[in-house]
Amino acid sequence: ETGVTQTPRHLVMGMTNKKSLKCEQHLGHNAMYWYKQSAKKPLELMFVYSLEERVENNSVPSRFSPECPNSSHLFLHLHTLQPEDSALYLCASSQARGTDTQYFGPGTRLTVL
Amino acid sequence: GQNIDQPTEMTATEGAIVQINCTYQTSGFNGLFWYQQHAGEAPTFLSYNVLDGLEEKGRFSSFLSRSKGYSYLLLKELQMKDSASYLCAVRDPSGNTPLVFGKGTRLSVIA
Repeated sequence: ETGVTQTPRHLVMGMTNKKSLKCEQHLGHNAMYWYKQSAKKPLELMFVYSLEERVENNSVPSRFSPECPNSSHLFLHLHTLQPEDSALYLCASSQARGTDTQYFGPGTRLTVL
Repeated sequence: GQNIDQPTEMTATEGAIVQINCTYQTSGFNGLFWYQQHAGEAPTFLSYNVLDGLEEKGRFSSFLSRSKGYSYLLLKELQMKDSASYLCAVRDPSGNTPLVFGKGTRLSVIA
């Protein structure tokens, strides 16, 4: 299944680094999502993009910055992260926001040292 | 508020049947999803229920009771490859989050 791809699959970064996660969907969907998955916690929605609209979870720190240049691509820019930000970051897409099944990418395993 | 509860871990024997329960309390409801997630992989869609009753899809079935805020995923003829986490998620249109996920149930299938 290559409908939603993510790169890199693994990332190790220091707290002062700047890095970006990339997601691409090949399903012709109009909505894309970033989730954070930590051990023993539910999937936490971070950001949603639907066409030109961004819906943001208010509890996401500003050190995470999303970018959606078009409906097929989604980025998550990272800067000055903390060790507690280490987690699996999952991208998902759906035909429309909030009304359809979401399809997930394989995730980026992020470790912050 | 929003709350999704499911057991943390379950163990079952190869060839057996296992039922994974999910209870939810949400402000609104517009459907319940089950996803399967193998370790280190993406969650994959298994089933969707929006009306009460049982939806069967091969070895997997999902049941919903909206009045009880309850769902279960039934796995029959268990295989070793069914060892995975099973995520229950509710679509709540009243909130800002399209899908609210439970913590997942880690199922181990043993010989």
